[in-house]
Amino acid sequence: GAGVSQSPRYKVTKRGQDVALRCDPISGHVSLYWYRQALGQGPEFLTYFNYEAQQDKSGLPNDRFSAERPEGSISTLTIQRTEQRDSAMYRCASSSQGTEQYFGPGTRLTVT
Amino acid sequence: GDSVTQMEGPVTLSEEAFLTINCTYTATGYPSLFWYVQYPGEGLQLLLKATKADDKGSNKGFEATYRKETTSFHLEKGSVQVSDSAVYFCALSVVGFGNEKLTFGTGTRLTIIP
Repeated sequence: GAGVSQSPRYKVTKRGQDVALRCDPISGHVSLYWYRQALGQGPEFLTYFNYEAQQDKSGLPNDRFSAERPEGSISTLTIQRTEQRDSAMYRCASSSQGTEQYFGPGTRLTVT
Repeated sequence: GDSVTQMEGPVTLSEEAFLTINCTYTATGYPSLFWYVQYPGEGLQLLLKATKADDKGSNKGFEATYRKETTSFHLEKGSVQVSDSAVYFCALSVVGFGNEKLTFGTGTRLTIIP
């Protein structure tokens, strides 16, 4: 079956622009996670959704970052007024409760 | 807070060599432990996991044992192959109200030469 998909796969944007990153989880998975991975580092947790409810946003670095999952399926991570330090791989994962997380291919964001 | 400390790479081995990648952790509560692998050009995949002390996870010839007394979860393989070349991440999660967010180590890049 289809895995987790993310779009776009690559995004180059100029400093100060807003970007929206999309995650389409595996059908039926109630849990959805966003992570950010800097070059040479492991992924770091950003936020967690249970169905449409954002239950943990403790990893979002500042108020320029936001995420939503309005119908409990597709999720969007939005970064406003991007900065060069936002350049990273953004990864989405989904799971059924109590099972492994399945990761998408990631979106590589470059802010110039 | 929770953290994972992982053996720094890169690691280069000859085919059929024995592999150990060290991983230690600190956690509040009782974590589950994981090894994830990222093959070149691909996304993160779960390699193996262990959910309680003394459990051994295994997959594709890789093994790791959950050692609570030493807070460790070292990855081992008896005879590596060129196809094992990848980046390996140790991770933990402490379940809280259904939130199983993962805390990752920095990753170890493994290269196997024929």
